[in-house]
Order: sequence, then structure tokens, then C-alpha cells
Amino acid sequence: GAGVSQSPRYKVTKRGQDVALRCDPISGHVSLYWYRQALGQGPEFLTYFNYEAQQDKSGLPNDRFSAERPEGSISTLTIQRTEQRDSAMYRCASSLGLGTGQVNNEQFFGPGTRLTVL
Amino acid sequence: GENVEQHPSTLSVQEGDSAVIKCTYSDSASNYFPWYKQELGKRPQLIIDIRSNVGEKKDQRIAVTLNKTAKHFSLHITETQPEDSAVYFCAASRKAIRGSTLGRLYFGRGTQLTVWP
Repeated sequence: GAGVSQSPRYKVTKRGQDVALRCDPISGHVSLYWYRQALGQGPEFLTYFNYEAQQDKSGLPNDRFSAERPEGSISTLTIQRTEQRDSAMYRCASSLGLGTGQVNNEQFFGPGTRLTVL
Repeated sequence: GENVEQHPSTLSVQEGDSAVIKCTYSDSASNYFPWYKQELGKRPQLIIDIRSNVGEKKDQRIAVTLNKTAKHFSLHITETQPEDSAVYFCAASRKAIRGSTLGRLYFGRGTQLTVWP
């Protein structure tokens, strides 16, 4: 099976434009996570879904950021009115999220979308 | 929330030597501790993980130890090879229960490991 995929791999946009980043998780994975990774840093949590339900969006920096996963599979992270400080690598991860009692939380990362806001 | 500290930030070793990377965490409810290896320009790859009901786990040249009392865990790489050179991240999360919000990972800042031939 294919791993987690993301598109586009690179996105260059002008300040003020909206962007939509797509994540296609591993087939059958219930949980989907969005992280942002600055150069030289560890991934920083943004938001998380179980199936189509957004469970935690506490990591979204402000209300310009939103995410959805309408059918419980592909997810889109949208950034409205982009600013230069939004430039970063945006990574998606998925995990099986199933099990009895303790849920399998092994998270597998996608290749990321490198966003550059000019 | 959880705070994960990772040391050292850089580590250089000679091929064949051992490398140890240490992490501490703050949330006593954390019980899942994965380690990721990230090569330049690549995605983070899960290399080993440990859960709080285990003190040590080994996979060939890689081992992870966990001390829940002291809230620290370590990655040990033996017989290092040049291809082990990468950035290594530790992470922590709480037990993810079906439908809960506890599955997010908190990452350390990473350790750049360089193995010289």
C-alpha cells in the first residue's frame, strides 16, 4: 500500500492569497494529523481528526487556518489571507487509530508541502 | 500541556561508536514515546517506539529505554554507520483512546547526528 501523500509538494504564493493543502492518508487509517515544521525544528501540532470529526484544533495559530476531512479520508488544510510568517513545511500524518483499549498511535508522515509566502 | 526537552542538539561520533540521545518530558500522563529519524529533505520516519508498560525495547542496533519515575527516555544506537547520520526527534503523547483528543505528538527540538567514517 501507498504511504501518506500530500499535494502540492511546493506552493509559492503572494501575501494575502488563500492556499489549500491536501493530504491523502494511508488507506484505512482512522486518525489524521496536521503538523507544521519549521527548518531545524520538530513538527508542531496543528489539528487532528478521527474519521471526519475534528477532535482537536488547539494548535491552529489563528482563525485564518482551518481544516476539514468531510468523508473521513482526504483532508484539506486551508490558510486564508496568507502572511509571510506562514511560510513553513506543512506535514500530514496518519495512524491506524484502532484497537481495544489502547489505540494504536503510530503516526506515519507524508512528504510535506513546502509553503512559501512572498 | 506536555513539554519535551531533547539533548544534545548536535552529536558527532566515529563510525562504530555508540550514540545516545536523551529526552525528558513533563506530563506524567504521557505513555507513548516514539523516535523519528529525518534525513535531509525527507519525511520523519518512525524507527522505534516504547510504551509506558515497558522499560526497554531493542531492535537490532537501536534501543530505547524509559524511566517513568524520572520522566526521561533515551535512544541508543550501537555500531554506528555513516547512514545513521540524520536528525533524530523524540516525541511523547498520552494514551490515545478511541474518540479522544489525546493522540497528538509533542516533539523535541531534534538532534543532528553525524557519523564520521
